[in-house]
Amino acid sequence: EDKVVQSPLSLVVHEGDTVTLNCSYEVTNFRSLLWYKQEKKAPTFLFMLTSSGIEKKSGRLSSILDKKELFSILNITATQTGDSAIYLCAVLIQGAQKLVFGQGTRLTINP
Amino acid sequence: DAGVIQSPRHEVTEMGQEVTLRCKPISGHNSLFWYRQTMMRGLELLIYFNNNVPIDDSGMPEDRFSAKMPNASFSTLKIQPSEPRDSAVYFCASKVSAQSSYEQYFGPGTRLTVT
Repeated sequence: EDKVVQSPLSLVVHEGDTVTLNCSYEVTNFRSLLWYKQEKKAPTFLFMLTSSGIEKKSGRLSSILDKKELFSILNITATQTGDSAIYLCAVLIQGAQKLVFGQGTRLTINP
Repeated sequence: DAGVIQSPRHEVTEMGQEVTLRCKPISGHNSLFWYRQTMMRGLELLIYFNNNVPIDDSGMPEDRFSAKMPNASFSTLKIQPSEPRDSAVYFCASKVSAQSSYEQYFGPGTRLTVT
């Protein structure tokens, strides 16, 4: 069974801290790994990673994939209260077009 | 541009009642996905359609759940009879069906409470 596991499940930090969110996966036919941010409503897309070792960056957020060790990390530097959300990791299965999601990490940034 | 539209946004019903959730995908998107999100299990894929045809319904929990897509602009997810354990947020998502397209666009979700 395809599986995506995120850690930690919950994280509380102070504004300005740097956080690292983890995502590991075991799937039969890996194509890509995606990160989503979910605030009060629907998940919104952050990054897609397909190749190992290539960092994707958007402002204070960055992510990298390790296809040998089967994991990805999402880094957020200089966190702000607006970064508070659930961060979802998902793996796109080759040929199937479907996403398998992890449980999510609930990140809370306190002022 | 309108995104994915779901209705109702909130539904409260009693155990045993039939519930129908509705979704209108983004115009031009040929793939449609139904997900369920709970605290315990996270976001789970229930079923997805390509060009109105169900491709993978392995995530549908049991026979009480059924989904249809009668045309390219409308899909329903029905639960009959509903049970308290069906309480969750149900998301619909759509995307362009090409293999090279990966990004799914999510609707706002329907929060279902079965008492």
